[in-house]
Amino acid sequence: DAKTTQPPSMDCAEGRAANLPCNHSTISGNEYVYWYRQIHSQGPQYIIHGLKNNETNEMASLIITEDRKSSTLILPHATLRDTAVYYCIVRVATGYSTLTFGKGTMLLVSP
Amino acid sequence: EPEVTQTPSHQVTQMGQEVILRCVPISNHLYFYWYRQILGQKVEFLVSFYNNEISEKSEIFDDQFSVERPDGSNFTLKIRSTKLEDSAMYFCASSEKSGGARAEAFFGQGTRLTVV
Repeated sequence: DAKTTQPPSMDCAEGRAANLPCNHSTISGNEYVYWYRQIHSQGPQYIIHGLKNNETNEMASLIITEDRKSSTLILPHATLRDTAVYYCIVRVATGYSTLTFGKGTMLLVSP
Repeated sequence: EPEVTQTPSHQVTQMGQEVILRCVPISNHLYFYWYRQILGQKVEFLVSFYNNEISEKSEIFDDQFSVERPDGSNFTLKIRSTKLEDSAMYFCASSEKSGGARAEAFFGQGTRLTVV
């Protein structure tokens, strides 16, 4: 699976949009971009994933660049409960493919 | 909303003892996983399980570890003879598929294993 690079930490004011970047310059055509988060040692929580089109669900939006070498997770209106470690993971679309977690980005949402 | 449930939430065991960690995956899921996270470290993959057999395992998953689906709902991780370095949070996860759409894995809240 391709490697990802994320900033170690980010801050965001409550109510503002949180934009979390991820670089995956070696991604292959058959690899998805997944985002998970982990709130203080709880189990990782699935957020969203995409292949090449932008995706949106009730939690977040995922913007993937046209060359697929980077992506941004957007939390449109961050709340204090969004404070967590966010993981960007690249995963092969077919066969048995597990999740390889890196260190992620620690997002701190402040009042 | 369906969720993965794990029991117990916290287990303390003596070194050398056997432990069994239990998980109830989401009911229509077919793929099951165990991950672990040593305090302050990354989440690490241990094993994946499908159709009553191991489909993939990591180097961590040695002969001391085993998994089983003893009935239609439970999925267990057994550590035969625990070591101090087995102390960690153990997360069970399940997914409907292994690749493509609907392959997202949903995690339980974990079992904190403390080996003393």
